[in-house]
Amino acid sequence: KAGVTQTPRYLIKTRGQQVTLSCSPISGHRSVSWYQQTPGQGLQFLFEYFSETQRNKGNFPGRFSGRQFSNSRSEMNVSTLELGDSALYLCASAPQRGRPGETQYFGPGTRLLVL
Amino acid sequence: AQTVTQSQPEMSVQEAETVTLSCTYDTSESDYYLFWYKQPPSRQMILVIRQEAYKQQNATENRFSVNFQKAAKSFSLKISDSQLGDAAMYFCAYRRGMNRDDKIIFGKGTRLHILP
Repeated sequence: KAGVTQTPRYLIKTRGQQVTLSCSPISGHRSVSWYQQTPGQGLQFLFEYFSETQRNKGNFPGRFSGRQFSNSRSEMNVSTLELGDSALYLCASAPQRGRPGETQYFGPGTRLLVL
Repeated sequence: AQTVTQSQPEMSVQEAETVTLSCTYDTSESDYYLFWYKQPPSRQMILVIRQEAYKQQNATENRFSVNFQKAAKSFSLKISDSQLGDAAMYFCAYRRGMNRDDKIIFGKGTRLHILP
């Protein structure tokens, strides 16, 4: 099976712009989670989607949003970009949700640089 | 709130030697999972090992083993016979077992260097 894919891999934006990142989970996986990774804060949970519904949300401002499509692909959007949004954004998929011990399968990430 | 602390931002070990990465966590729960994830440079993060809190036996996966001290809330990772391919950022993570809505909480990571 193909792994989790994320597009684009690299992105440069300027402050005030918006950006959309895409994640395709492993075939058959229905849960998609997003994380922001920065050197100072490590990995921070953004949100989780399952069956096209947001099931859980981290402590991020409303500028961060996401959605999931019927084929389980997910997008996240960041509006009005700030310098502090520069980070590696990771997507992870799992077959189901509600299984806390389940392995999360991570994508390669999208590295976003905000100038 | 649950927290995960990795007190060693960076570590180095000689190839073929053994190294132990530390992780402590704070929780009032009794049912939970602990994980170690590995993120090699410019490569995808993968699960190294997982431990269920109810299991007293320490998990082992080939050269990777954990020392799970539930009372002390400590979950260290031991890598035996270190190899160059072990160089990576290692993240300790916690997830509560009872609530399906709970998210995974990660530590800030330990960057491991392997010296040839």
